[in-house]
Amino acid sequence: KNEVEQSPQNLTAQEGEFITINCSYSVGISALHWLQQHPGGGIVSLFMLSSGKKKHGRLIATINIQEKHSSLHITASHPRDSAVYICAAGTSYGKLTFGQGTILTVHP
Amino acid sequence: GAGVSQSPRYKVTKRGQDVALRCDPISGHVSLYWYRQALGQGPEFLTYFNYEAQQDKSGLPNDRFSAERPEGSISTLTIQRTEQRDSAMYRCASSLQRGDTDTQYFGPGTRLTVL
Repeated sequence: KNEVEQSPQNLTAQEGEFITINCSYSVGISALHWLQQHPGGGIVSLFMLSSGKKKHGRLIATINIQEKHSSLHITASHPRDSAVYICAAGTSYGKLTFGQGTILTVHP
Repeated sequence: GAGVSQSPRYKVTKRGQDVALRCDPISGHVSLYWYRQALGQGPEFLTYFNYEAQQDKSGLPNDRFSAERPEGSISTLTIQRTEQRDSAMYRCASSLQRGDTDTQYFGPGTRLTVL
C-alpha cells in the first residue's frame, strides 16, 4: 500500500461542475501539499496546509489530521483546469512523498 | 525573478555513459530537492540539500547516483554507467527555508532517455 493514496485516478467533468479529489496518507506529516502538473509537464504548488481549510480563487483544500485525509475541491470547473493534480505528504525538512496523481479532464 | 532552471532539458545517452544534470535554484533559496518522475507516475524523492550539506540521500536508488551542491547554490545530479531503467524526468525544487514551512518551486525538469 502506498503511503499516499489519491482517488479517483481519472476524473472527467463537464464545465461548471463541482470537483472533488481525495487524498489519504499513512505517514506523519508536517504539511500536506497539493500540486498541479500542467499538460506541458510543469509542476506548480497550489496549497500547503497542516490544518483546516485554505481557499484560492475557485480552489479549496481541506485537511482532517485525525483521519489523515485531505480533499481538493474545484468550484465551477473550466477546461483550463484540466491537468494532473497531485497530493504529497510533506515530512520533516520538506521531503515530499507523492501520490500517483489524478488526471482531470474538463470538457466544455 | 527567475524561477528554478534545469539543464539540459532533454538528454539522450547510450547505456553505460555517465550523465550530469544541473539545477539552478531560485537565488537565496536554502533548501534544494531532487525528484525523479517515471512516465505516468508521481514524482519520488531522491535527495535533499540544506545549503551545501546533503542531509538526506535516502531516495538515491543505488551508488551510481550521486549529487552535490558545493557552494550552496547550483546542484548537480550525476548518474554513472547509465541503464535503461534510469530513463525518467528528473526534477529539482527549491524553497526559501525548510520545505515543510515554505512552498517548493519546481524546475521544468530534465527528460533523460537511456538507449
